[in-house]
Amino acid sequence: QVTLKESGPALVKPTQTLTLTCTFSGFSLSSSGMRVSWIRQPPGKALEWLARIDWDDDKFYSTSLKTRLTISKDTSKNQVVLTMTNMDPVDTATYYCARGTTTVTPGFDYWGQGTLVTVSS
Amino acid sequence: QSVLTQPPSVSAAPGQKVTISCSGSSSNIENSYVSWYQQLPGTAPKLLIYDNNKRPSGIPDRFSGSKSGTSATLGITGLQTGDEADYYCGTWDSSLSVGVFGGGTKLTVL
Repeated sequence: QVTLKESGPALVKPTQTLTLTCTFSGFSLSSSGMRVSWIRQPPGKALEWLARIDWDDDKFYSTSLKTRLTISKDTSKNQVVLTMTNMDPVDTATYYCARGTTTVTPGFDYWGQGTLVTVSS
Repeated sequence: QSVLTQPPSVSAAPGQKVTISCSGSSSNIENSYVSWYQQLPGTAPKLLIYDNNKRPSGIPDRFSGSKSGTSATLGITGLQTGDEADYYCGTWDSSLSVGVFGGGTKLTVL
C-alpha cells in the first residue's frame, strides 16, 4: 500500500527558508521508473508543479522558481526533501508530494494529504 | 496564470453528461500524455485518467479521456452529486522539462 505524507513548519516568516519532507512507504525511490514531485496549491487557486526527483537522481525544477528550490532524496529513509529559499507571503499554499511511475508518467498516482504553509511575519 | 487552459466552470444536471476541455501547445499536450485529477473540497487531488485515456483501478468507466493535437478532454457521464469537485488536467512540457497543470474547472451538478 502506497502512502506519502508531507511534514514541515505550518508558519514561516518572510525571507526564511522552508524545508519540507515527504515520507513515503509502499515503494522504493531506488526502483527504476519511480519519481516524486512536489506540487503546491495556494488557497482557492490552481495546482502548481514545483519540482521532481527521479530514481536515478535526475532533478527537474519549475522554471519560475528554479533559483529558490532544491530537491533531494534519502532512499534509506524513504524521504524526499524540498527546500525553498526566500519565502514570501505569495508562497502561502498547501504543499503536496506525489508519486509518479513509468506507468502513469507524467501523471501522479498517489498523493500525500498536503501540508498548509503560511508565510507571515 | 496556468500553462494549460481549462474553462473555469461547467454544470449539468444529475444523470447527464459533461465534458471539460484542456488546451495546451505542441511542447506539452501534443507531445506528452495527459492526466486528469479530481479534487473534492478539502482533499488532495486524485488521479482519474492517465496516458490520455486510461483509468486507474477503481475509477468507474463513467470517466473517460481523449486527446487530439494540442487539446484534451475529460468526459463524465451519468453525473452524480458526488462528482461535484474541481478537475485539473496535467502533463509534461518537453521543451522546458517541467510539469504543467491547467487552471482547474469547477463542476457543479445542478
